[in-house]
Amino acid sequence: GQQLNQSPQSMFIQEGEDVSMNCTSSSIFNTWLWYKQDPGEGPVLLIALYKAGELTSNGRLTAQFGITRKDSFLNISASIPSDVGIYFCAGLNYGGSQGNLIFGKGTKLSVKP
Amino acid sequence: EAGVAQSPRYKIIEKRQSVAFWCNPISGHATLYWYQQILGQGPKLLIQFQNNGVVDDSQLPKDRFSAERLKGVDSTLKIQPAKLEDSAVYLCASSLRRTGGAIGGYTFGSGTRLTVV
Repeated sequence: GQQLNQSPQSMFIQEGEDVSMNCTSSSIFNTWLWYKQDPGEGPVLLIALYKAGELTSNGRLTAQFGITRKDSFLNISASIPSDVGIYFCAGLNYGGSQGNLIFGKGTKLSVKP
Repeated sequence: EAGVAQSPRYKIIEKRQSVAFWCNPISGHATLYWYQQILGQGPKLLIQFQNNGVVDDSQLPKDRFSAERLKGVDSTLKIQPAKLEDSAVYLCASSLRRTGGAIGGYTFGSGTRLTVV
């Protein structure tokens, strides 16, 4: 089945630093999504990307949909302590009767004040 | 807008026992999903409903897992009998449209953390 490779697995950074994480797939997706999950909570949508090459920002977050439709990256600028959590990429192909998300394994972000 | 409600938040059972989880999606959301998230992994789809019909249950271990959404609103997921490897967080999600993609993805509940001992 489809699999997403997300890297890095974990990151330990200093407050104020920029963060970059990416996701690659062996197959193409119509949509790329980035979620953040806090302990004990479900994933919360950060950014949705619908078009190859699309670059979208949400505050300090910027994400891009790769032109090959097989990859995406997420950047966080000027990290703050509340950015701590697990970030997941997810790919979605919709059409027909299917519409389930395929998730990466996550990037665990730790921010040192 | 109220979010996706799930209960219970936590459940500890012995192997071979049965357990049920409940989900109430966002009002008006026709599509409901159950995901299983094992520790250290991303969520994995178990079953997808469109109203009260099953759209995709290809990854549901049907020998022990069952799910229903009788009136097209809330849903229950059952495991009977449970195995140690079923320990995970069970997440429910809902979306307005069938595919969920064009409106920005799905809304997840907080999940039920199941521990099988």
